[in-house]
Amino acid sequence: GAVVSQHPSWVICKSGTSVKIECRSLDFQATTMFWYRQFPKQSLMLMATSNEGSKATYEQGVEKDKFLINHASLTLSTLTVTSAHPEDSSFYICSARDMTDSNQPQHFGDGTRLSIL
Amino acid sequence: DAKTTQPPSMDCAEGRAANLPCNHSTISGNEYVYWYRQIHSQGPQYIIHGLKNNETNEMASLIITEDRKSSTLILPHATLRDTAVYYCIVRVPWGKLTFGTGTRLQVTL
Repeated sequence: GAVVSQHPSWVICKSGTSVKIECRSLDFQATTMFWYRQFPKQSLMLMATSNEGSKATYEQGVEKDKFLINHASLTLSTLTVTSAHPEDSSFYICSARDMTDSNQPQHFGDGTRLSIL
Repeated sequence: DAKTTQPPSMDCAEGRAANLPCNHSTISGNEYVYWYRQIHSQGPQYIIHGLKNNETNEMASLIITEDRKSSTLILPHATLRDTAVYYCIVRVPWGKLTFGTGTRLQVTL
């Protein structure tokens, strides 16, 4: 079945550094990718939607200058958390979908656990 | 997208069928019903989806009422590995997946 690969699976870094998370669709063309964030004991919250070759659309309350999203190809999207601080510590999950087929479901990566010290 | 209502938690004995209900009374005609589950510390896993007909795959069955205002996900023989949070989501074909709080299913020996 369809697979979405996310890397790294976990990262620990110092406050003030930037962290890049990669999301790849392995066996389908992801015309659209989604980035979610999940805090402990809470549900997934959509942060932004990105279409290949165009700017991402951010949900209300998500800072686009802090969470930089690049979707340069049909198989790769990246999320960069810039100048990360402890409050950015969370579980980040990407998702991908082939929007040319409305019957195809959306598939998720296994998430990246980000801890900012 | 229409909202869904699910019980916060359910228990099921291993080997028995797990029936997870979902209410979506404001669903519109072009919205599909999707089910995902999230095992602890992993990304959500797609289970099944449907529009108005009942659906079955290797993981589960989806029963949608005739008026489409509710649905039930059935795991025919639950195992300990099915312990997870199950999310019922309604969405138009090109819409976003918006997650609610889901049902925490605990499968016990």
